[in-house]
Amino acid sequence: DIQMTQSPSSLSASVGDRVTITCRARQSISNYLNWYQQKPGKAPKLLIHAASSLQSGAPSRFSGSGSGTDFTLTISSLQPEDFATYYCQQNYSIPFIFGPGTNVDVK
Amino acid sequence: EVQLVESGGGLVKPGGSLRLSCAASGFTFSNAWMNWVRQAPGKGLEWVGRIKSKVDGGTTHYAAPVKGRFTISRDDSQNTVYLQMNSLKTEDTAVYYCATGGYFHDFWGQGTLVTVS
Repeated sequence: DIQMTQSPSSLSASVGDRVTITCRARQSISNYLNWYQQKPGKAPKLLIHAASSLQSGAPSRFSGSGSGTDFTLTISSLQPEDFATYYCQQNYSIPFIFGPGTNVDVK
Repeated sequence: EVQLVESGGGLVKPGGSLRLSCAASGFTFSNAWMNWVRQAPGKGLEWVGRIKSKVDGGTTHYAAPVKGRFTISRDDSQNTVYLQMNSLKTEDTAVYYCATGGYFHDFWGQGTLVTVS
């Protein structure tokens, strides 16, 4: 199984801040990496697939980059609706393991 | 509009069984690969398993913690995917989501809570 790690596990930020979340795979997964946003009590929402492809309907302030083992999700200017938990997921090989999540809360 | 509606959750004793359903609408279900993902209370997301479309073989894959106990099936005439859960353990307590997609999950249901106690 390909284990995933995320850092930080939580961060505090203000509206307008640039936020960066890192995801690392234990072995190379090429660009088989997805990012999801989840708010309390709600289902996750797909933001990014194939490491850098913005999902239809996701705001353009979200971007993804990386390849191999190291990946980044960037929020260019944090908005009030972006306070949530973010998960990466590898889809290189089954099982499609998720990272442990990064909680973004209000500073 | 794509809709996924899970049902069948509830309270079950350890060792018991439960079958979850996920009714789909708004897309061509028979062509879709479908997944189950779960989330234990206060924890992260865990991919449970996937079923391919029948045209792609209808193959199923499972995560190790549920393999041999859980079975995913589909009824394309009812636009529904199922998760049969047997030999349930307390650690199976979670919200169970169905989600579309073979390699990324672009649509999700609202989830159904399974409590094993």
